[in-house]
Amino acid sequence: SQWGEENLQALSIQEGEDVTMNCSYKTYTTVVHWYRQDSGRGPALIILIRSNEREKRSGRLRATLDTSSQSSSLSITAAQCEDTAVYFCATEDTGGADRLTFGKGTQLIIQP
Amino acid sequence: EAGVTQSPRYAVLQEGQAVSFWCDPISGHDTLYWYQQPRDQGPQLLVYFRDEAVIDNSQLPSDRFSAVRPKGTNSTLKIQSAKQGDTATYLCASSPLGGQNTLYFGAGTRLSVL
Repeated sequence: SQWGEENLQALSIQEGEDVTMNCSYKTYTTVVHWYRQDSGRGPALIILIRSNEREKRSGRLRATLDTSSQSSSLSITAAQCEDTAVYFCATEDTGGADRLTFGKGTQLIIQP
Repeated sequence: EAGVTQSPRYAVLQEGQAVSFWCDPISGHDTLYWYQQPRDQGPQLLVYFRDEAVIDNSQLPSDRFSAVRPKGTNSTLKIQSAKQGDTATYLCASSPLGGQNTLYFGAGTRLSVL
């Protein structure tokens, strides 16, 4: 999982496989954002899930959120080489501030 | 629509030197953020603005870092006397009012302090 680790985690899989990345966060939130960061670029939002959704799908992406365990997951089905990137989860501050706190990230490498 | 633009893309300094980073957010976005991203870590919020007002700068090392957004559009982040520990990528992001807190990031400025 992303929080509680000192550095970036790394995952390497073969093209066509499915993969799941996990995120455990410390402070309560009702929204989890998942961002993707390609090498040399800034992060970009790929999927957002709210506490009343439990599961959200977008193409080959699937996100889940369990507020009781303060965890979220991002799954990619039939991974492709272009899915190689760093994936971050980010939580919203429930104190009303419009800012995000990012996890440490997962480096995903898809081998051809 | 043009994205968030940052300059320079890279900067290399000796300890003690000063450096400024510039950010041009997406037109119409009222909220602007500066994040610091050390190598192999997630972005960490330094400061953010709504229009020209600082909303939160509690994570900004105030003795050496400063940030301004005088007209509520472009922003400058300055490090007065850089330290090796400041080596990181500095990311600017913007967000529209009512945009569900979705951040649109620039490509960042990669800073190396020798």
